[in-house]
Amino acid sequence: DTEVTQTPKHLVMGMTNKKSLKCEQHMGHRAMYWYKQKAKKPPELMFVYSYEKLSINESVPSRFSPECPNSSLLNLHLHALQPEDSALYLCASSQDYRQGQDEQYFGPGTRLTVT
Amino acid sequence: SQKIEQNSEALNIQEGKTATLTCNYTNYSPAYLQWYRQDPGRGPVFLLLIRENEKEKRKERLKVTFDTTLKQSLFHITASQPADSATYLCALWTYNQGGKLIFGQGTELSVKP
Repeated sequence: DTEVTQTPKHLVMGMTNKKSLKCEQHMGHRAMYWYKQKAKKPPELMFVYSYEKLSINESVPSRFSPECPNSSLLNLHLHALQPEDSALYLCASSQDYRQGQDEQYFGPGTRLTVT
Repeated sequence: SQKIEQNSEALNIQEGKTATLTCNYTNYSPAYLQWYRQDPGRGPVFLLLIRENEKEKRKERLKVTFDTTLKQSLFHITASQPADSATYLCALWTYNQGGKLIFGQGTELSVKP
């Protein structure tokens, strides 16, 4: 199974809401990633988890809170977001983020709209 | 400053022709360069990887070249088909970027029948 799944597919939330995005992979990958992508722009790295520990945080605002409950699951908790946070949120996984020859497998993304 | 630049304009070609996409980079020393395909509203899909000591890689109708002197990679799709229409992203991996994959902005390819 080479699939990364993400739920929900679409999410509309108000600026005072709290919601979570979920990501799952069963490829035995030890690295998992969150990316944010705006229209006509490349994916922008937010967080990297390696062996369930946060390894990279790209100075993301604290209203985004990642969590890796186990090696197959990755969550992104959202709180007090701004309209400019509306974007496609992509989850990805790979064998090991420190190995440049490892391809990343991306999920289909969650389309987030903040009203 | 560090930059990754892909064809800024969308590329429109006729079915059956070869599409050539360009990825130029500045002030990076990539150990690996990867190419991904992305369809609208979907996540990127890995296509090919080339190492810094490799000149060329092929996979079916796809070919990637890597010139570390010119700081450029070219991505070719031969015998293109309308189903090849998508955005193509190049991505660099360097040791001194802390293991992060850095993406170019992508080139939108449209193959007309």
